[in-house]
Amino acid sequence: AQSVTQPDIHITVSEGASLELRCNYSYGATPYLFWYVQSPGQGLQLLLKYFSGDTLVQGIKGFEAEFKRSQSSFNLRKPSVHWSDAAEYFCAVGGRNNAGNMLTFGGGTRLMVKP
Amino acid sequence: EAQVTQNPRYLITVTGKKLTVTCSQNMNHEYMSWYRQDPGLGLRQIYYSMNVEVTDKGDVPEGYKVSRKEKRNFPLILESPSPNQTSLYFCASSTPTRNRGQTRKLFFGSGTQLSVL
Repeated sequence: AQSVTQPDIHITVSEGASLELRCNYSYGATPYLFWYVQSPGQGLQLLLKYFSGDTLVQGIKGFEAEFKRSQSSFNLRKPSVHWSDAAEYFCAVGGRNNAGNMLTFGGGTRLMVKP
Repeated sequence: EAQVTQNPRYLITVTGKKLTVTCSQNMNHEYMSWYRQDPGLGLRQIYYSMNVEVTDKGDVPEGYKVSRKEKRNFPLILESPSPNQTSLYFCASSTPTRNRGQTRKLFFGSGTQLSVL
């Protein structure tokens, strides 16, 4: 069965500082990997996804993530955080045997940004 | 505007009183899904539908029903709600998934906060 772990429940960074949100997954083969962001009172918006090819993927809002097969990780990074990035972030894994239809989400990481 | 619309946004009900949360999408998506979001647990899939009249259980289907009579609508039904179904619910839809590896993006609704007393 596929599973996702986001070890950090809360993270606080200063505006302008760099950010890394951790995501570890469990899946028997190469999975589909996603990062979603949820702003307060909103649904989820896709930041980026990895299906195949280059293991460093670029997303919207200046985010990027790197797939590391040896570490079963898909960490999300941003070089310089803006106050508007404060939100909850979810990592998700989709199985290739069902074309990624069944997504399993991590527990989420709430990001707070200090001025 | 492409969107997934859920109604209502907020709902307070009592144990045992049947309720339906509606979900509608205007993108002609074949795939639709329901999730519940609980603190520390992320989103867990309740049911999903690959197309009209095709539905399947997700990870936490107990206590829920769905139907897919039309492509655009995918209502979530709680026949006899219980307090442990108090949660934030999200509907989502995406483009066809017949081809493995095809790029797919989930579109989420704004959520329905349900409280069962």
